[in-house]
This record gives sequence, C-alpha cells and structure tokens, in this order.
Amino acid sequence: DTGVSQNPRHKITKRGQNVTFRCDPISEHNRLYWYRQTLGQGPEFLTYFQNEAQLEKSRLLSDRFSAERPKGSFSTLEIQRTEQGDSAMYLCASSARTGTSGVRDTQYFGPGTRLTVL
Amino acid sequence: AQKVTQAQTEISVVEKEDVTLDCVYETRDTTYYLFWYKQPPSGELVFLIRRNSFDEQNEISGRYSWNFQKSTSSFNFTITASQVVDSAVYFCALHSGAGSYQLTFGKGTKLSVIP
Repeated sequence: DTGVSQNPRHKITKRGQNVTFRCDPISEHNRLYWYRQTLGQGPEFLTYFQNEAQLEKSRLLSDRFSAERPKGSFSTLEIQRTEQGDSAMYLCASSARTGTSGVRDTQYFGPGTRLTVL
Repeated sequence: AQKVTQAQTEISVVEKEDVTLDCVYETRDTTYYLFWYKQPPSGELVFLIRRNSFDEQNEISGRYSWNFQKSTSSFNFTITASQVVDSAVYFCALHSGAGSYQLTFGKGTKLSVIP
C-alpha cells in the first residue's frame, strides 16, 4: 500500500516563471487536499477536491494559483507568474470518504514539494 | 472561526524524560475532530491520532498518550521516556464546520530530545 506521492520534491524557479506540481493520492482515496507551509508555521489550507470536483478554496488561493483533478485521481497545482512570496512547501493530502470512524476522513500527507523562487 | 494554539514553540528534553506538548483549540461547532501530526526533519507529516468531540476518553499508544478535556478546550500530548527519534515538530490540528474539510493547524512545537 503506497502513500501519497508528490513530484517534484524540490523546484527552484525564477520570479515570473510558471510552475506545476503533481500529487498522486492513496489509490482508494477520493478526497484530495492542497496545503502550503512556510518556515516556522503550520500548514495552511489551499483547496479540496472530492473526486474531480473542486469543492472548497481558501482565500489564500489567488488568481495565479489553479488546481485540477481531471479524472478524480492525480491532481496538479499550477502557480503562474511566481513571486518570491510563493516560496514554501506545498503539501498534498488525501482521505477516504468511507471506512471505519477512525479512518474516514483522516488526512494522510505526502512528502511535499519545496518551491524556491529566486 | 477555528483556531489552534500551541504556545510552546520549542522544547528540549534529555532522553528518557517525559514531555507534554500543549494544544488549545477554539471552535463554535459541537462536532469536531482533533489531530496530532509529527513532522520529522524529512518534512513529511505523519498522522498520530484523531479524536472526535464526543469521545473524551484519554488514549495511550505505547509511549504516547493524549489527554482530551473539553472543559478547557485542550488536547495535550505526552511522550513518556522520550527517545532521540522523537525529535521533530509536532502539530495539533482541528477539523470542524459542516461542509468544510480543511484542517486548521497550530504553529507547531519543535521537540529536541538530547541523548
């Protein structure tokens, strides 16, 4: 049973460039989440998908950010015209809609993609 | 609005000492879930425990124990006989609000266990 995977693990880009991250959730999980974590802070919620539908978005998700989950499996997070303030760890998590009460909707996290904008 | 406060920014203990990490939460919802995650230096958040608001029983798992008290809105985490491998940042998180699935995290407590 593999966990949540994210690619790339590290990304260095120049200000103004576009970047795209990929997340592959645990195979039987239909819920997928994106968070952002800056140094010394806890993760902050960005967006949530149930299957392919994007059901919740944070105000942190500016117009330069877009997330997709086209077939309800993997997801991509794109940042356009990157800014230095976008430098952070981007975390993906997934959860199951069904299961025992101790398992249902517990979010399991991937290793994250660390973005550095120069 | 939901809020999680972890007042301890950093804690250092000597190996084999017991240590308690504090977590205080705020929510207006009567149904909510509380979590603890561990983030070792590698960066991946590791799920430790989930409790729902209707279950105030304390839980023990090996050297880990959790004390949930609704009266003080606290969900504290104790590590008994700490080990160097326990060194990590620990996050407390809250999930509440019907129709919302986001977790609200505290700022974390960095635990250093000194051999």
